[in-house]
Amino acid sequence: DGGITQSPKYLFRKEGQNVTLSCEQNLNHDAMYWYRQDPGQGLRLIYYSQIVNDFQKGDIAEGYSVSREKKESFPLTVTSAQKNPTAFYLCASSLSAGPDTQYFGPGTRLTVL
Amino acid sequence: SQKIEQNSEALNIQEGKTATLTCNYTNYSPAYLQWYRQDPGRGPVFLLLIRENEKEKRKERLKVTFDTTLKQSLFHITASQPADSATYLCALDISGGYQKVTFGTGTKLQVIP
Repeated sequence: DGGITQSPKYLFRKEGQNVTLSCEQNLNHDAMYWYRQDPGQGLRLIYYSQIVNDFQKGDIAEGYSVSREKKESFPLTVTSAQKNPTAFYLCASSLSAGPDTQYFGPGTRLTVL
Repeated sequence: SQKIEQNSEALNIQEGKTATLTCNYTNYSPAYLQWYRQDPGRGPVFLLLIRENEKEKRKERLKVTFDTTLKQSLFHITASQPADSATYLCALDISGGYQKVTFGTGTKLQVIP
Protein backbone atom coordinates (compact mmCIF):
# COMPACT_ATOMS: atom_id res chain seq x y z
CA ASP A 1 0.00 0.00 0.00
CA GLY A 2 1.83 3.08 -1.25
CA GLY A 3 1.68 6.40 0.48
CA ILE A 4 3.19 8.97 2.75
CA THR A 5 3.00 8.71 6.51
CA GLN A 6 3.62 11.17 9.29
CA SER A 7 3.96 10.53 12.97
CA PRO A 8 2.84 11.29 15.50
CA LYS A 9 -0.59 12.74 14.67
CA TYR A 10 -0.59 14.93 17.78
CA LEU A 11 2.49 16.17 19.57
CA PHE A 12 2.85 18.26 22.68
CA ARG A 13 6.06 20.00 23.59
CA LYS A 14 7.24 22.16 26.41
CA GLU A 15 8.79 25.48 25.59
CA GLY A 16 12.53 25.26 25.05
CA GLN A 17 12.49 21.66 23.81
CA ASN A 18 13.44 20.48 20.36
CA VAL A 19 11.07 18.01 18.72
CA THR A 20 11.36 15.89 15.56
CA LEU A 21 8.45 15.14 13.25
CA SER A 22 8.67 12.02 11.14
CA CYS A 23 7.83 11.76 7.42
CA GLU A 24 8.20 8.57 5.39
CA GLN A 25 7.15 7.76 1.82
CA ASN A 26 7.23 4.54 -0.18
CA LEU A 27 6.25 6.12 -3.50
CA ASN A 28 9.84 6.24 -4.75
CA HIS A 29 9.54 10.02 -5.10
CA ASP A 30 12.65 12.15 -5.42
CA ALA A 31 11.23 15.38 -4.01
CA MET A 32 9.92 15.93 -0.50
CA TYR A 33 8.53 19.00 1.24
CA TRP A 34 7.55 20.33 4.65
CA TYR A 35 4.76 22.87 5.04
CA ARG A 36 3.25 24.64 7.97
CA GLN A 37 -0.46 25.54 8.05
CA ASP A 38 -1.97 28.05 10.46
CA PRO A 39 -5.69 28.91 10.71
CA GLY A 40 -6.76 31.23 7.90
CA GLN A 41 -3.42 30.95 6.15
CA GLY A 42 -2.25 28.94 3.22
CA LEU A 43 0.43 26.31 3.33
CA ARG A 44 3.82 27.89 3.86
CA LEU A 45 6.92 26.06 2.70
CA ILE A 46 9.53 25.37 5.37
CA TYR A 47 12.07 23.17 3.57
CA TYR A 48 12.19 21.07 0.45
CA SER A 49 14.50 18.42 -0.92
CA GLN A 50 14.94 17.52 -4.58
CA ILE A 51 17.17 14.56 -4.00
CA VAL A 52 18.90 12.58 -1.26
CA ASN A 53 21.52 14.49 0.73
CA ASP A 54 20.29 17.82 -0.62
CA PHE A 55 17.72 20.27 0.71
CA GLN A 56 16.89 23.97 0.44
CA LYS A 57 15.22 26.50 2.68
CA GLY A 58 11.68 27.52 1.91
CA ASP A 59 9.93 30.72 2.88
CA ILE A 60 9.92 30.20 6.68
CA ALA A 61 12.95 28.03 7.51
CA GLU A 62 14.09 29.92 10.62
CA GLY A 63 13.90 27.74 13.72
CA TYR A 64 13.61 24.50 11.73
CA SER A 65 16.10 21.93 10.47
CA VAL A 66 15.83 18.87 8.21
CA SER A 67 17.89 15.98 6.91
CA ARG A 68 17.54 13.76 3.85
CA GLU A 69 19.82 10.77 4.39
CA LYS A 70 17.44 8.32 2.73
CA LYS A 71 15.12 8.75 -0.22
CA GLU A 72 12.12 7.58 1.81
CA SER A 73 12.63 9.79 4.85
CA PHE A 74 12.60 13.56 5.46
CA PRO A 75 12.36 14.33 9.19
CA LEU A 76 11.74 17.87 10.41
CA THR A 77 13.14 19.18 13.69
CA VAL A 78 11.39 22.10 15.33
CA THR A 79 14.00 23.76 17.48
CA SER A 80 13.61 25.98 20.51
CA ALA A 81 14.56 28.89 18.27
CA GLN A 82 11.20 28.69 16.52
CA LYS A 83 9.22 31.43 18.23
CA ASN A 84 5.70 30.27 17.45
CA PRO A 85 5.82 26.53 16.72
CA THR A 86 2.20 25.63 17.47
CA ALA A 87 0.74 24.70 14.08
CA PHE A 88 -0.35 21.91 11.74
CA TYR A 89 2.65 20.46 9.89
CA LEU A 90 2.27 18.72 6.55
CA CYS A 91 4.81 16.64 4.69
CA ALA A 92 4.48 16.02 0.96
CA SER A 93 6.35 14.26 -1.82
CA SER A 94 6.34 14.42 -5.61
CA LEU A 95 7.94 12.39 -8.36
CA SER A 96 10.25 15.27 -9.15
CA ALA A 97 10.59 18.90 -8.16
CA GLY A 98 8.61 20.19 -11.08
CA PRO A 99 5.01 20.33 -12.27
CA ASP A 100 4.16 17.13 -10.49
CA THR A 101 1.33 16.31 -8.18
CA GLN A 102 2.23 16.59 -4.53
CA TYR A 103 1.06 13.77 -2.30
CA PHE A 104 0.46 14.82 1.27
CA GLY A 105 0.69 12.96 4.54
CA PRO A 106 -2.04 13.16 7.19
CA GLY A 107 -0.23 15.90 9.10
CA THR A 108 1.09 16.38 12.64
CA ARG A 109 -0.53 18.89 14.96
CA LEU A 110 2.13 20.34 17.25
CA THR A 111 1.13 22.18 20.40
CA VAL A 112 3.63 23.97 22.60
CA LEU A 113 2.56 24.09 26.22
CA SER B 1 6.55 38.29 -5.80
CA GLN B 2 3.74 36.11 -7.01
CA LYS B 3 0.56 36.27 -4.94
CA ILE B 4 -2.45 34.02 -5.01
CA GLU B 5 -5.91 35.21 -4.05
CA GLN B 6 -8.76 32.91 -3.19
CA ASN B 7 -12.03 34.06 -1.72
CA SER B 8 -11.57 33.66 2.02
CA GLU B 9 -15.30 33.75 2.65
CA ALA B 10 -17.06 30.42 2.72
CA LEU B 11 -19.22 29.51 -0.25
CA ASN B 12 -22.61 27.99 0.58
CA ILE B 13 -24.62 26.38 -2.19
CA GLN B 14 -27.63 24.13 -2.51
CA GLU B 15 -27.14 20.45 -3.32
CA GLY B 16 -27.38 19.82 -7.06
CA LYS B 17 -26.18 23.27 -8.07
CA THR B 18 -22.81 24.10 -9.63
CA ALA B 19 -20.17 25.48 -7.31
CA THR B 20 -17.64 27.89 -8.81
CA LEU B 21 -14.47 28.79 -6.95
CA THR B 22 -11.98 31.45 -8.05
CA CYS B 23 -8.21 31.64 -7.94
CA ASN B 24 -6.54 34.88 -9.01
CA TYR B 25 -2.83 35.50 -9.24
CA THR B 26 -0.62 38.51 -9.75
CA ASN B 27 2.46 39.08 -11.83
CA TYR B 28 3.58 36.52 -14.36
CA SER B 29 1.53 33.58 -15.52
CA PRO B 30 2.51 30.24 -14.05
CA ALA B 31 3.42 27.30 -16.24
CA TYR B 32 0.73 25.28 -14.51
CA LEU B 33 -1.90 25.53 -11.83
CA GLN B 34 -3.23 22.81 -9.54
CA TRP B 35 -6.34 22.38 -7.42
CA TYR B 36 -6.43 20.39 -4.19
CA ARG B 37 -9.15 19.42 -1.74
CA GLN B 38 -8.54 19.54 2.01
CA ASP B 39 -10.80 18.14 4.69
CA PRO B 40 -10.51 19.39 8.30
CA GLY B 41 -7.47 18.02 10.09
CA ARG B 42 -6.16 16.20 7.01
CA GLY B 43 -3.61 16.74 4.27
CA PRO B 44 -4.65 18.16 0.89
CA VAL B 45 -5.53 15.75 -1.90
CA PHE B 46 -4.70 16.54 -5.53
CA LEU B 47 -7.66 16.98 -7.89
CA LEU B 48 -6.60 18.55 -11.20
CA LEU B 49 -3.64 20.16 -12.94
CA ILE B 50 -3.99 22.55 -15.87
CA ARG B 51 -1.09 23.89 -17.94
CA GLU B 52 -0.75 27.40 -19.34
CA ASN B 53 -1.48 26.23 -22.88
CA GLU B 54 -4.72 24.52 -21.83
CA LYS B 55 -7.96 26.46 -21.57
CA GLU B 56 -9.98 23.81 -19.79
CA LYS B 57 -9.60 20.46 -18.04
CA ARG B 58 -12.31 18.07 -16.88
CA LYS B 59 -12.51 15.11 -14.53
CA GLU B 60 -15.90 13.60 -13.81
CA ARG B 61 -17.96 16.40 -12.17
CA LEU B 62 -14.95 18.74 -11.92
CA LYS B 63 -13.89 21.35 -14.43
CA VAL B 64 -11.00 23.80 -14.29
CA THR B 65 -10.42 26.75 -16.58
CA PHE B 66 -7.29 28.86 -16.94
CA ASP B 67 -7.40 32.37 -18.36
CA THR B 68 -3.92 33.85 -18.59
CA THR B 69 -5.32 37.20 -19.77
CA LEU B 70 -7.46 37.60 -16.68
CA LYS B 71 -4.82 35.85 -14.54
CA GLN B 72 -7.50 33.64 -13.17
CA SER B 73 -8.51 30.01 -12.77
CA LEU B 74 -12.05 28.88 -12.10
CA PHE B 75 -12.88 25.55 -10.46
CA HIS B 76 -16.36 24.16 -11.02
CA ILE B 77 -18.14 21.28 -9.32
CA THR B 78 -21.33 20.34 -11.13
CA ALA B 79 -24.27 18.55 -9.47
CA SER B 80 -22.72 19.31 -6.09
CA GLN B 81 -23.23 16.94 -3.18
CA PRO B 82 -22.85 17.39 0.59
CA ALA B 83 -19.78 15.14 0.35
CA ASP B 84 -18.12 17.87 -1.74
CA SER B 85 -18.03 20.11 1.34
CA ALA B 86 -14.37 20.87 2.03
CA THR B 87 -11.74 23.56 1.55
CA TYR B 88 -10.35 23.85 -1.96
CA LEU B 89 -6.82 25.14 -2.51
CA CYS B 90 -5.22 26.33 -5.68
CA ALA B 91 -1.48 26.09 -6.14
CA LEU B 92 0.89 27.34 -8.80
CA ASP B 93 4.57 27.54 -9.57
CA ILE B 94 6.11 30.84 -8.65
CA SER B 95 9.60 30.78 -10.02
CA GLY B 96 9.46 30.14 -13.73
CA GLY B 97 12.81 28.43 -13.27
CA TYR B 98 12.95 25.84 -10.51
CA GLN B 99 9.31 25.12 -10.09
CA LYS B 100 8.52 25.63 -6.45
CA VAL B 101 4.82 25.57 -5.81
CA THR B 102 2.95 28.02 -3.64
CA PHE B 103 -0.56 27.51 -2.26
CA GLY B 104 -3.48 29.86 -1.83
CA THR B 105 -5.35 30.13 1.47
CA GLY B 106 -8.27 28.12 0.12
CA THR B 107 -12.01 28.58 -0.12
CA LYS B 108 -14.34 26.63 2.12
CA LEU B 109 -17.29 25.12 0.28
CA GLN B 110 -20.43 24.04 2.11
CA VAL B 111 -23.05 22.11 0.12
CA ILE B 112 -26.42 22.27 1.82
CA PRO B 113 -28.78 19.28 1.43
